[in-house]
Amino acid sequence: AQTVTQSQPEMSVQEAETVTLSCTYDTSESNYYLFWYKQPPSRQMILVIRQEAYKQQNATENRFSVNFQKAAKSFSLKISDSQLGDTAMYFCAFMKLNTGNQFYFGTGTSLTVIP
Amino acid sequence: GAGVSQSPRYKVAKRGQDVALRCDPISGHVSLFWYQQALGQGPEFLTYFQNEAQLDKSGLPSDRFFAERPEGSVSTLKIQRTQQEDSAVYLCASSQDRTGYTFGSGTRLTVV
Repeated sequence: AQTVTQSQPEMSVQEAETVTLSCTYDTSESNYYLFWYKQPPSRQMILVIRQEAYKQQNATENRFSVNFQKAAKSFSLKISDSQLGDTAMYFCAFMKLNTGNQFYFGTGTSLTVIP
Repeated sequence: GAGVSQSPRYKVAKRGQDVALRCDPISGHVSLFWYQQALGQGPEFLTYFQNEAQLDKSGLPSDRFFAERPEGSVSTLKIQRTQQEDSAVYLCASSQDRTGYTFGSGTRLTVV
């Protein structure tokens, strides 16, 4: 079974500062994807960033980057130059590749950006 | 359409009532997923369609839950004899491949 753990239920950061959200996962799979999704009050899950497990290079998308440590099964999200619009729930998710393509989500981290 | 559309956005049902939740995926998306998100939790997988075929329904919590996608586009999640523990947000997602998932804004079901 796949499990995803987010140990920080709530976090806050000053506008323009940097924050890191933690995620660990447990799997016996060797090929998989990892994701960070953002869920604002509108409820729609919005993709922030994706990492293929076979790639050693950490993914980056503008102000968002990940620290992927495959051996440690760790996948943290760094948000640089935080903006008020970054305030949302953030979910880490795992997807195995062999069947189904379903997501396994963590319990989320509520991020508040303080003006 | 441009995105995944779900209706209704909110639904209040009396315990024991049947409900039907609709998902209209992005045109041409082969795969369609339903997730259940309880308050304060991450979404949990319910079921998966590839075109009209339901390939995985292992996440459906009981036989009161039923999903269909008869023509490979619009999908309906039906919950019979609703219980309070069914109260949650029900999210639909569609994709063409592993990289292009789009989620809808969900239906918030409240059973009273």
